[in-house]
Amino acid sequence: EDQVTQSPEALRLQEGESSSLNCSYTVSGLRGLFWYRQDPGKGPEFLFTLYSAGEEKEKERLKATLTKKESFLHITAPKPEDSATYLCAVQATSNDYKLSFGAGTTVTVRA
Amino acid sequence: NAGVTQTPKFQVLKTGQSMTLQCAQDMNHEYMSWYRQDPGMGLRLIHYSVGAGITDQGEVPNGYNVSRSTTEDFPLRLLSAAPSQTSVYFCASSRGPGYGYTFGSGTRLTVV
Repeated sequence: EDQVTQSPEALRLQEGESSSLNCSYTVSGLRGLFWYRQDPGKGPEFLFTLYSAGEEKEKERLKATLTKKESFLHITAPKPEDSATYLCAVQATSNDYKLSFGAGTTVTVRA
Repeated sequence: NAGVTQTPKFQVLKTGQSMTLQCAQDMNHEYMSWYRQDPGMGLRLIHYSVGAGITDQGEVPNGYNVSRSTTEDFPLRLLSAAPSQTSVYFCASSRGPGYGYTFGSGTRLTVV
């Protein structure tokens, strides 16, 4: 069974204080690893897809990386508007209709 | 483009009542799914569809039915609501394997 574990559960940062979120996964064969951002009361918003170990994607202050067992979401010099819950999900080659999600990391950035 | 549209946004049901959560997408996506989100548990797949006329069960299908008569619409039916179905429900759609899913804004359901 596909499993996704995110850590930490919550992260409080000062504006400008860079940090990383971890997503550890177990999947029989990886079709893709997805990062989403979710604001309170809203649906998840797609950020990145990573397909193979060594791949990196960037968007503004966010950078996602992938190894064979985990993915990291690096937040560089965060701003208060980066406050959100970040979700990681995997899609297996054997179950390519579904995403298996982690519980998320809630990031709070203080000005 | 509206993306994925869900209605209603909020609903309160009494135990035993039935209702349909509506979902429509305008991106011509073949794949559509329903997830529920509960605190500390992440999003869990209820039912999914890989095209019009094709549906199947996900991880937590009990108490729910779906149908897909058109590419655009994928309604979720609660047959006899139970307090355990209190949750936030998200509909999502995708072009297919390996592509990200686009999520709707959710329906917050409370069963009393």
